Amino acid sequence: GAVVSQHPSRVICKSGTSVKIECRSLDFQATTMFWYRQFPKQSLMLMATSNEGSKATYEQGVEKDKFLINHASLTLSTLTVTSAHPEDSSFYICSGAPLGGNYEQYFGPGTRLTVT
Amino acid sequence: GQNIDQPTEMTATEGAIVQINCTYQTSGFNGLFWYQQHAGEAPTFLSYNVLDGLEEKGRFSSFLSRSKGYSYLLLKELQMKDSASYLCAVRQRGNSGYALNFGKGTSLLVTP
Repeated sequence: GAVVSQHPSRVICKSGTSVKIECRSLDFQATTMFWYRQFPKQSLMLMATSNEGSKATYEQGVEKDKFLINHASLTLSTLTVTSAHPEDSSFYICSGAPLGGNYEQYFGPGTRLTVT
Repeated sequence: GQNIDQPTEMTATEGAIVQINCTYQTSGFNGLFWYQQHAGEAPTFLSYNVLDGLEEKGRFSSFLSRSKGYSYLLLKELQMKDSASYLCAVRQRGNSGYALNFGKGTSLLVTP
């Protein structure tokens, strides 16, 4: 199956700093990548959808100036959490939808962010 | 918006069969997915239904009734490694394309 990687897997940062998370599709081209957030014992919540070469579309309630998404190539999307606060601590997961694909999204292993 | 409901927890015995139900209310329905997620890991794809009926894939089967807004995941010959959270997700056409909306997941515990 298709493989998606995320880096870093875990990160701890201080309140007020920014953190960048990378999502890469390793063996397929992803025209669309999705970013999700998952709090403990909660479901995955879609944050935004990014299409290669265009601006991301954010879900209602997600601040686009706080969660900066860049999808510069067909294999890489980045999420930058700016001015992080403790309430941003969560599990961030990306997924990629293959170019020309039918329906599957392939998920990365996730990034555990802890803001102190 | 949409509502996706599934039981919070279930317990079953190794070797048995378990059915996990999911009901949904959504507009622009474009398929229902089941994912398995172990703690601290990303979800892995199990099955996909877009038309009514049963899809079988080895020990796993998934059923969909669009008119009833209902799906179930059937796991046969349960193994200890099947202990995980099972997520029901509905794909719907939206402004951002075909995004997935997830239920809260059903935590399945398989006991010896």
